[in-house]
Amino acid sequence: DTGVSQDPRHKITKRGQNVTFRCDPISEHNRLYWYRQTLGQGPEFLTYFQNEAQLEKSRLLSDRFSAERPKGSFSTLEIQRTEQGDSAMYLCASSRGDAEGNTIYFGEGSWLTVV
Amino acid sequence: AQSVAQPEDQVNVAEGNPLTVKCTYSVSGNPYLFWYVQYPNRGLQFLLKYITGDNLVKGSYGFEAEFNKSQTSFHLKKPSALVSDSALYFCAVRDSSTGGFKTIFGAGTRLFVKA
Repeated sequence: DTGVSQDPRHKITKRGQNVTFRCDPISEHNRLYWYRQTLGQGPEFLTYFQNEAQLEKSRLLSDRFSAERPKGSFSTLEIQRTEQGDSAMYLCASSRGDAEGNTIYFGEGSWLTVV
Repeated sequence: AQSVAQPEDQVNVAEGNPLTVKCTYSVSGNPYLFWYVQYPNRGLQFLLKYITGDNLVKGSYGFEAEFNKSQTSFHLKKPSALVSDSALYFCAVRDSSTGGFKTIFGAGTRLFVKA
């Protein structure tokens, strides 16, 4: 059973550039989540998919952020016109969708540094 | 709205001594409660959860947690700490009244175990 996979693990980009992160969830999981974590803070919820449907977006997810899960499997998180405040670790997680108390499992995260 | 608080930024304990990491929560419905551990530059690893039933739940690496509904707490405990337990610990809550999909994390507590 492979875990949640994220790519790239680290990305350094110049302010104003676009970046895209990919997440491959655990294969039988139909729920997928994106979180953002900055130094000294806990993960902050960004968005959530059930299969290919994006069911909730946090207010943290400005119009420069877009997430997709086109076939209900892998997901991408794109940040357009990056700003220094976007520097953070972006965490993807997945879970089964058959019960509310299911555990969510995290990937190793994608570190973004905007210079 | 659901929320979770970890009142201690850091907990220091000597190796071999018992440890407690505190967590309190607020939800409208029934709580689903989780503990995760994070090592430097890594994602979050699941330790244990409370969904229903016995208030004392046991998890990975000898950790356990006690659900206390009247005090709205879910403290993490271990009878004998190891130096390798030193890490960042996050408490998380999911509110059944919101559909049970959005997990909210505390700010984290850094555990330092001294040899």
